[in-house]
Amino acid sequence: NAGVTQTPKFRVLKTGQSMTLLCAQDMNHEYMYWYRQDPGMGLRLIHYSVGEGTTAKGEVPDGYNVSRLKKQNFLLGLESAAPSQTSVYFCASSETSGRNNEQFFGPGTRLTVL
Amino acid sequence: KNEVEQSPQNLTAQEGEFITINCSYSVGISALHWLQQHPGGGIVSLFMLSSGKKKHGRLIATINIQEKHSSLHITASHPRDSAVYICAVFGSGSRLTFGEGTQLTVNP
Repeated sequence: NAGVTQTPKFRVLKTGQSMTLLCAQDMNHEYMYWYRQDPGMGLRLIHYSVGEGTTAKGEVPDGYNVSRLKKQNFLLGLESAAPSQTSVYFCASSETSGRNNEQFFGPGTRLTVL
Repeated sequence: KNEVEQSPQNLTAQEGEFITINCSYSVGISALHWLQQHPGGGIVSLFMLSSGKKKHGRLIATINIQEKHSSLHITASHPRDSAVYICAVFGSGSRLTFGEGTQLTVNP
């Protein structure tokens, strides 16, 4: 099993460009999450999904959109990238959202917006 | 003030030393997670606990719900333990809130 995979691993964008980050999991997990990690801050939740066809806003959703058309995939889109979106993006999945549910993380995508 | 505070932010130790990383939180929680972020960036879950103590190999995690405090201990530390250790709490919003992390460096 690959667990949680993310593509691409690195990307450089110019301000105003768009891109989509892909997250895939092969554990049949219901819940999927997109986080961003910035220096001096903890991981912050951007959007999450509680199942196929559902999405919800997290702590810092502005400037991002998401889709969960298939249970195993969770896409994060940037329609018009801004330098403030320079960050490392992590996808995670969990079986449910319960307090004892372990979240499994992808390897991360390092995005730079110039 | 962040909901989850970790201390210290940075910690350097010599191989073999006993290490303690602390986590304090200000909200009611139902569980606390400790995670490890490797130098290459990957994040793995170490512990999930809601009371008492858990042990896995050389790692021990404790939590005091009344004092809103948790500690992660590493016994007989080794250079391969060098990583960022992250505390996260599962609160009323049914989502994890993360601390900033503690950068641990263990020198041979």
